[in-house]
Amino acid sequence: QKEVEQNSGPLSVPEGAIASLNCTYSDRVSQSFFWYRQYSGKSPELIMSIYSNGDKEDGRFTAQLNKASQYVSLLIRDSQPSDSATYLCAGRGYAGNMLTFGGGTRLMVKP
Amino acid sequence: DAGVIQSPRHEVTEMGQEVTLRCKPISGHDYLFWYRQTMMRGLELLIYFNNNVPIDDSGMPEDRFSAKMPNASFSTLKIQPSEPRDSAVYFCASSFDPSETQYFGPGTRLLVL
Repeated sequence: QKEVEQNSGPLSVPEGAIASLNCTYSDRVSQSFFWYRQYSGKSPELIMSIYSNGDKEDGRFTAQLNKASQYVSLLIRDSQPSDSATYLCAGRGYAGNMLTFGGGTRLMVKP
Repeated sequence: DAGVIQSPRHEVTEMGQEVTLRCKPISGHDYLFWYRQTMMRGLELLIYFNNNVPIDDSGMPEDRFSAKMPNASFSTLKIQPSEPRDSAVYFCASSFDPSETQYFGPGTRLLVL
């Protein structure tokens, strides 16, 4: 099993809908999690971090962490065409300071 | 703050040539990370430094790759000799603390012919 796994997509949603992005992880990266957004040709930028079970909301974004099931998700409410990008899930393990990234999910929001 | 600065932004070279990528982290950040991104393998950590000292270089693909951080404001990633399979986008990132956000530079797009 890869340490962090994501469906590569593309995930296509209509404008205004909720986009749900999911990520599963192994025991090696179970300490904290980060969602990065990467526009085509650009560098990753952090959207949200989450460290404990439950939900964390920031504007239109909600990160959800379920340690028992080993998954983390990102919900984007009222999706906009400008949200079209690749979303990278990253986890940090207990040993070291490294982030392990998933392959990313490409999101397409259609007007 | 100017953010993480990388140079060059684009590099085209021929197989066998030496390539040097440069990075200036955000001032005050003690951690510096070098990543490589390809379509096939995604974003991979190559090496990271803490207070200018290399901590983990297990991601460096082979001896052709080397990285240095002579001071807190400068790091280099060198590939010698370069090969076509090294073609990728190389990102540098920095952070203040391991539990904090990593901030990425704009990347260097490397094409080895």
